[in-house]
Amino acid sequence: AQSVTQPDARVTVSEGASLQLRCKYSYSATPYLFWYVQYPRQGLQMLLKYYSGDPVVQGVNGFEAEFSKSDSSFHLRKASVHWSDSAVYFCAVSFANSGTYQRFGTGTKLQVVP
Amino acid sequence: EAAVTQSPRNKVAVTGGKVTLSCNQTNNHNNMYWYRQDTGHGLRLIHYSYGAGSTEKGDIPDGYKASRPSQENFSLILELATPSQTSVYFCASGDGLGNTLYFGAGTRLSVL
Repeated sequence: AQSVTQPDARVTVSEGASLQLRCKYSYSATPYLFWYVQYPRQGLQMLLKYYSGDPVVQGVNGFEAEFSKSDSSFHLRKASVHWSDSAVYFCAVSFANSGTYQRFGTGTKLQVVP
Repeated sequence: EAAVTQSPRNKVAVTGGKVTLSCNQTNNHNNMYWYRQDTGHGLRLIHYSYGAGSTEKGDIPDGYKASRPSQENFSLILELATPSQTSVYFCASGDGLGNTLYFGAGTRLSVL
C-alpha cells in the first residue's frame, strides 16, 4: 500500500541540540518529497522539497533533509534548534501518475525545551 | 506572497444542518485542495480541483461536496453535517505536480 509514515508523534529536544525527524514512504514510483511546518493556529508552510539531484536539500531556517532511495526515507535535520522551532512538522509526497495532490504523514510535534 | 483565505475561521453547526466552507486564492493557481486535519491522522485529502468547473474526489470524499465556480474560489459543502465531521479544515492552492502547496489558516468546525 502507498503510504507516508512519520513514526514519532512527539519529539522533545533541548535548545541548541541537533534534530532529526523521520519520514519513510512506500511508493512504487519515485516521489516528489516535501517537508512542511505548522505553527499553532496557522496553516502549513513548506520548508523544503526534493525530486532529483543531490540527495541532501537545503531549506529555510537552517533545515535540511536527506533522501535515501535504498531506505525509502526523507529525514529532516537541523544542526542546532531554537525555541521558535517548536511546531508540528509534516512530511508529504506526490508522484507523477496520481495527480498533483500531496499525501501527508501524521505529523511530528516538536517541543524545544531550555 | 501567495495568499489563501478561508472563511469562516470558526464554525459551530448542528447535526443535520448544511455547512459551507469557503476558500479564496489570489495566486492564480490552477489547482486547489481541501484537507481535514485530525489528531493521529495528519492531513487527509477530501476533494480537489484542476480549474474552474472541475472537482475530483480525494481519499475521504463521503459526506462532502465541492464546488469550483471560478479560478479563485473553491468551496466545501457538508449537506448533512454529522459530529464525525468535527475537525479543522484546510484549503490549499498549488501550480502543478511537485510544486509547493500554499495553505490557508484553517477553519475549525464543530458539529454538535
